Amino acid sequence: ETGVTQSPTHLIKTRGQQVTLRCSSQSGHNTVSWYQQALGQGPQFIFQYYREEENGRGNFPPRFSGLQFPNYSSELNVNALELDDSALYLCASTIMGQVNSPLHFGNGTRLTVT
Amino acid sequence: AQSVTQLGSHVSVSEGALVLLRCNYSSSVPPYLFWYVQYPNQGLQLLLKYTTGATLVKGINGFEAEFKKSETSFHLTKPSAHMSDAAEYFCAVRSLGGYQKVTFGIGTKLQVIP
Repeated sequence: ETGVTQSPTHLIKTRGQQVTLRCSSQSGHNTVSWYQQALGQGPQFIFQYYREEENGRGNFPPRFSGLQFPNYSSELNVNALELDDSALYLCASTIMGQVNSPLHFGNGTRLTVT
Repeated sequence: AQSVTQLGSHVSVSEGALVLLRCNYSSSVPPYLFWYVQYPNQGLQLLLKYTTGATLVKGINGFEAEFKKSETSFHLTKPSAHMSDAAEYFCAVRSLGGYQKVTFGIGTKLQVIP
């Protein structure tokens, strides 16, 4: 069973730039969620994708966008980067509608915005 | 909206002592509850989950948690702390319907003193 994998592991960007983070979901999972974890905080829900469509979103501006592909992998795109976007970005996969299916997390991408 | 409150952002215990990490939830209906552990520079790993059924839930690494509806609590315990238990622990709640958003607490950093 292949777990959730994320790339890259670390990234440094300049304010105003754009970034794309990638995630491969665990085999058999059809739903992908993205979370932002700032230093010293719990993960904050960004959005969730199911059947290649966004079906839930947290309190994040539209410059945070995503995609889900037919193989259930996903991308998180952030435009016009701000210093406060510096955080660990976590991808998690699960099976939609299955009560006993928890989130399975990748190891995250550490984004630093300078 | 559902939420969880973790009491104590830092907890220190001696090796071999009881570990007790506190979590209270806010929900109008019985929620799905989880405990995750995060080691430095890693993603979150599921320790245990409560969905329905038995209120005492056993997880990995000797941890367990008890769902107490009357107290709206889901505290995490382990009889005897090991050095390897030093990590950050997150309590989380998942919405019942619609998309499966998971809301996390701020986390409790566990220090184990030799």
